Amino acid sequence: QQQVKQSPQSLIVQKGGISIINCAYENTAFDYFPWYQQFPGKGPALLIAIRPDVSEKKEGRFTISFNKSAKQFSLHIMDSQPGDSATYFCFGGGYNKLIFGAGTRLAVHP
Amino acid sequence: DGGITQSPKYLFRKEGQNVTLSCEQNLNHDAMYWYRQDPGQGLRLIYYSQIVNDFQKGDIAEGYSVSREKKESFPLTVTSAQKNPTAFYLCASSKARGGDQPQHFGDGTRLSIL
Repeated sequence: QQQVKQSPQSLIVQKGGISIINCAYENTAFDYFPWYQQFPGKGPALLIAIRPDVSEKKEGRFTISFNKSAKQFSLHIMDSQPGDSATYFCFGGGYNKLIFGAGTRLAVHP
Repeated sequence: DGGITQSPKYLFRKEGQNVTLSCEQNLNHDAMYWYRQDPGQGLRLIYYSQIVNDFQKGDIAEGYSVSREKKESFPLTVTSAQKNPTAFYLCASSKARGGDQPQHFGDGTRLSIL
C-alpha cells in the first residue's frame, strides 16, 4: 500500500496555542518523513523532516513525533502564530516512492 | 540565489490545444519532478526525471508529456488528451534521485481552460 493519510483536513487554533497535525502511512519501505508548508499562490517549502531512526525532532517551535511501530508521525507547532496560517503537507518517501498527504489548512486566530 | 523558476504564472488553454509549462533550476540538482495540485487533494506526481534524457511516469501521467534534454530544464506539456487540465502545477527538484531527499519547489503555474 502506498497511501499517506493526513488529518485533520482543517484546523483552527488560537494564537499561542498548540497545533497538531497527524499522518499515518502504510508502506514500511518509507524512510523519510518531511513536513512541507505552503502559503497561497506559492510552492511548498520544507519545514522539518525526520528519518525513522529517531522518535522526535525539534526545530524551534516545530516538532515531529514519530512512532515507527504504529506507522504514524505528527507535526506539533508550539505557540502558534497568525503567520503560521498555511497548508501543511506530510510526505512519505523511499528510494522510488513519493507520496504526499492530502494537506491540512491551518488558521491561527489572533 | 539558487532556486526553481516556473513560467508562466498563469496559463489558459483552448480546447484541443497543447500547452507547455516551463521549469528551470539552477541548484545543480539531478532529479526533477512535476506535480499536480487540486483543491482538497495533496500533490500528485505526474512525471519525474532522475538524470538527463531519462524520465519515468508518476501516478497520473496520462495526457501529459515531458522532456529532459538539459540538467537545468524539465518542461511539461499538457496535451489535448488531458480532459481535465485545470489545476495548479508544481515543479520540484532534489539533489539526488529518490523519495528520501528533500525537494525544492517552484511557485507554480495555474492552468485554466478558456
